[in-house]
Amino acid sequence: SSELTQDPAVSVTLGQTVRIACQGAGLRTYSANWYQQKPGQGPILVIFGENNRPSGIPPDRFSASRSGDTASLTITGTQAEDEADYYCQSRDSSGNPVLFGGGTKLTVL
Amino acid sequence: EVHLVESGGGLVKPGGSLRLSCAASGFVFGNHHMNWVRQAPGKGLEWVASITRDGRHILYADSLKDRFSISRDNPTNSLYLEMSSLRAEDTALYYCAREGVGANGGSFDHWGQGTLVTVSP
Repeated sequence: SSELTQDPAVSVTLGQTVRIACQGAGLRTYSANWYQQKPGQGPILVIFGENNRPSGIPPDRFSASRSGDTASLTITGTQAEDEADYYCQSRDSSGNPVLFGGGTKLTVL
Repeated sequence: EVHLVESGGGLVKPGGSLRLSCAASGFVFGNHHMNWVRQAPGKGLEWVASITRDGRHILYADSLKDRFSISRDNPTNSLYLEMSSLRAEDTALYYCAREGVGANGGSFDHWGQGTLVTVSP
């Protein structure tokens, strides 16, 4: 398969933990990178590789994991400013070298 | 500080051509693979093309390889995307994205703000 599938929308109560999933056959081999995009802004890398954060990304809030064909981004103690679209990105060995998931719109209640 | 500034977008008629540019600063341009990623209005991210540090190896999304051409000029820290035979479905915000190195390889660690391409009669 050459797709990465994400739930279109997820909501979370302020201060709670939320997991955003990304499913695709390529994830059995390759890790996922995760991007945050707020309205009117370009995407920002929040997780790369198995579970690495660029400088400036809070290590106590953003983490990632992978199991089988599913990668997950977990936000702990979700803040209002975490409300955004989140995209996973990985590779597909049988097709396009770069794939993005369809994105998940995170709403913080 | 890393800066990526896209330019060259605009309104173009179906069948027309356009050349996008990305001016890079704040890092050693020739040390990074570079990419174009687009986003149609209200839609998700779609990878368009990538080019290696030295420009020798290029990859395209399967659906675009016949109409789009990526290139770079390392001495001037510039990335380009030539687009031809444009269609309405090419309407999108086009982002220039830097690929990380080392453990960060394969991820896009810096993005520009994008340049809007609108294909319409």
